[in-house]
Amino acid sequence: DQQVKQNSPSLSVQEGRISILNCDYTNSMFDYFLWYKKYPAEGPTFLISISSIKDKNEDGRFTVFLNKSAKHLSLHIVPSQPGDSAVYFCAASVAGTYKYIFGTGTRLKVLA
Amino acid sequence: GAGVSQSPSNKVTEKGKDVELRCDPISGHTALYWYRQRLGQGLEFLIYFQGNSAPDKSGLPSDRFSAERTGESVSTLTIQRTQQEDSAVYLCASSALAGVFEQFFGPGTRLTVL
Repeated sequence: DQQVKQNSPSLSVQEGRISILNCDYTNSMFDYFLWYKKYPAEGPTFLISISSIKDKNEDGRFTVFLNKSAKHLSLHIVPSQPGDSAVYFCAASVAGTYKYIFGTGTRLKVLA
Repeated sequence: GAGVSQSPSNKVTEKGKDVELRCDPISGHTALYWYRQRLGQGLEFLIYFQGNSAPDKSGLPSDRFSAERTGESVSTLTIQRTQQEDSAVYLCASSALAGVFEQFFGPGTRLTVL
């Protein structure tokens, strides 16, 4: 039972354009969401998070949007840069608990 | 400051052998997680340690897997009688507190079982 789904295994975007990475979840109890970025041969690094009391969180070029009714979140990267090329994972948890459920990841390739 | 470190970075073993993977969390982090990532798949939760509380072992796939943690420091993940399906990257992460605080991941140990 995949509670967190990233249905696009890969995405290619031209440098300077917007990258949109999507994530869907099935468990309505989830109320805290995170995005991680992973380069080859490295562990994932935290990128941005959002709690369910908000529908948007912005940090520089990165914005996460949360649509609770659709159980959907997305990560927008604007403008995309070649250094953003990596695998992006979304993760969800219930606030106050410790277990995070990760999606399968989306490989983003930003073309110069 | 030092991040999460894991050793070895790569391990090749023969089917049936035991392996031990090590994780050194960030100093002061009370929570420690082990995950497994098989090729083309997401991160699969294995086990969680929080301070002196009993660990959550609910993600361990079989009784061949076990993990220990000494206080709030080093953790070891042991896989006995390895099988080819155990081949994966094993990732360790730590966080300052349980709950919604971000996790800091180590670089992982790539395990290959021949």
